[in-house]
Formats: sequence, structure tokens, C-alpha cells
Amino acid sequence: DAGVIQSPRHEVTEMGQEVTLRCKPISGHNSLFWYRQTMMRGLELLIYFNNNVPIDDSGMPEDRFSAKMPNASFSTLKIQPSEPRDSAVYFCASSYFPGELFFGEGSRLTVL
Amino acid sequence: ILNVEQSPQSLHVQEGDSTNFTCSFPSSNFYALHWYRWETAKSPEALFVMTLNGDEKKKGRISATLNTKEGYSYLYIKGSQPEDSATYLCAFPGGNDYKLSFGAGTTVTVRA
Repeated sequence: DAGVIQSPRHEVTEMGQEVTLRCKPISGHNSLFWYRQTMMRGLELLIYFNNNVPIDDSGMPEDRFSAKMPNASFSTLKIQPSEPRDSAVYFCASSYFPGELFFGEGSRLTVL
Repeated sequence: ILNVEQSPQSLHVQEGDSTNFTCSFPSSNFYALHWYRWETAKSPEALFVMTLNGDEKKKGRISATLNTKEGYSYLYIKGSQPEDSATYLCAFPGGNDYKLSFGAGTTVTVRA
């Protein structure tokens, strides 16, 4: 298996633009997590899905953030409109509950 | 709100020396405790998933113990090598919904 695949790896955008980050989990995994890495908060859980259903989105910072998992092999994290403080590395991870997480390589977002 | 704490925040170790550090978590409603290793510019990788009180796991020179009654886990590195330099994260899933929240990590720097 290729592992968890995230795209894009790097994204530079201007404030106010919409950003969509994508994640393909490992086939057969039933849980998917979106994390954000910042200097201040370390690895921060944004939202997690179990069997494609959002279980907990209490970590999503505000309404500008949304996440979907339309099927078992794809998830998106959308920021609209983006702001400079959203600049961070966003990680997607998947697991077969309740096992270890497998992380993607991350998407580095820079909002100017 | 789960409170996963790791100490110390950072460690500098001489090559060949052994070291250990701590992860503290709520002792009630325990489900599992994860350890991850995170090298600079890479993604976190799982080391151990521990579920039983008194559990001890080992991978090469790295081992971990678990005390669920008092709410802590130790990670040990025996005979540290420069390639052990990384941030070591522990993660604690909160109850049945498996919301996996990470501690801030212990950053280990091994000096040759």
C-alpha cells in the first residue's frame, strides 16, 4: 500500500481565497483524522471520522473550516476564506480502529 | 477535556547514554496509550500502542512501560544514538469515541 496520500504538499495562497486539502487514507482503514501542526499548539486534532461519519469536530477552529469524507477512500479539509493565521502544516492520518495512526506527509499551507 | 502531559519538554543526551521521559494521562476511563516518534521534516510514526496496565513493549533500543492506575507511561532509550534525535509524542484516545489527542512531545537531541 502507498500509505496515506495527501495533496497538495505545498500551497501558497492569498488571504480570502478558498483552500482545499485532500487525503486518501490507507485502504481498509476505518478511521481518519485531520491534525494541524503549529508552533503554539503542537499537533492539534481538528476533526475525526469513523466509518466516514464525523465523530468529533470540536477542534475545528471556526466556521471557516469544514471537512468531508464522502467515501472510505477520500476526505477533504476546506478553509474558506483563508487567513494568514491558518498557515500551518496539516496532517491527515488513518487507522484501523483502535490501532496506531498512519500519517500522510502533510500539506504545508501558507496564507499571505 | 483530556490533559495529556509530557515531560520534560526537551532533553539533550550524550551519545551512548540512556534516557527516559514521561507521559501523564487521566487514569480514569483508560482505553489505550500510543507513542509516536516524529523526526524533523517527516511525519509521526507509531512506536507502540499500549493497552494493559503493567504492559512493557520494546522496539530495538526503545522501550515503554504503562501504569494505567496512576496514569503514566515511560519511554526509555538505551544507549542513545544520533539517529534517535526526534520528538517523541504520546497520544491518548478519550473513551469509546477514540478521539486521539497528542501531548506536546519530548524533543530528544543526541550529541555525538
